[in-house]
Amino acid sequence: DGGITQSPKYLFRKEGQNVTLSCEQNLNHDAMYWYRQDPGQGLRLIYYSQIVNDFQKGDIAEGYSVSREKKESFPLTVTSAQKNPTAFYLCASSMSSGRVLGEQYFGPGTRLTVT
Amino acid sequence: AQSVAQPEDQVNVAEGNPLTVKCTYSVSGNPYLFWYVQYPNRGLQFLLKYITGDNLVKGSYGFEAEFNKSQTSFHLKKPSALVSDSALYFCAVRAANYGNNRLAFGKGNQVVVIP
Repeated sequence: DGGITQSPKYLFRKEGQNVTLSCEQNLNHDAMYWYRQDPGQGLRLIYYSQIVNDFQKGDIAEGYSVSREKKESFPLTVTSAQKNPTAFYLCASSMSSGRVLGEQYFGPGTRLTVT
Repeated sequence: AQSVAQPEDQVNVAEGNPLTVKCTYSVSGNPYLFWYVQYPNRGLQFLLKYITGDNLVKGSYGFEAEFNKSQTSFHLKKPSALVSDSALYFCAVRAANYGNNRLAFGKGNQVVVIP
């Protein structure tokens, strides 16, 4: 998982509470991503950021928010508007976007349980 | 739009036998293709990628994959499977001329290597 840290590994919240998942990378990568993984559904893109102070919605952005104030950090907030937030959340980064391709490197993930 | 199909939910193979995990893709123009592996409650680990050049790509842990443009496939192979290869395998694709590094992931294949 080298170079990307996610904390905490397990997170428990009550329904109706917002929660923020941390993602930090020391790979000097420009681009960062957040995915959600549910059993049998593969990875679905929530948000991505190609550069500091810029980010775009992915395929399932509703109920989530992000910020990219520093190159190495891309926190994800799961809001109370997210109807089914219990899932495994994965952060990734890549060297660049566009035509200069770098494979994505993944963090170890955060398992969020909301009851 | 770009997409990946991994038609088999689970692949069972005896230890020492060849392992094949299938992947077909759909993308406009030339593809960039990737394989990742995930162990339980961990992030994804990069195995190999195809960008251009030789259709046979060699990657980590003895894995290789063959790009077949006419069949739009990128099957992952290993000549002799180990019990430690038991994991979830993901294929991913993006269009070479796409403006960012958004990947489309398949749903994943569970590989079970039987001792």
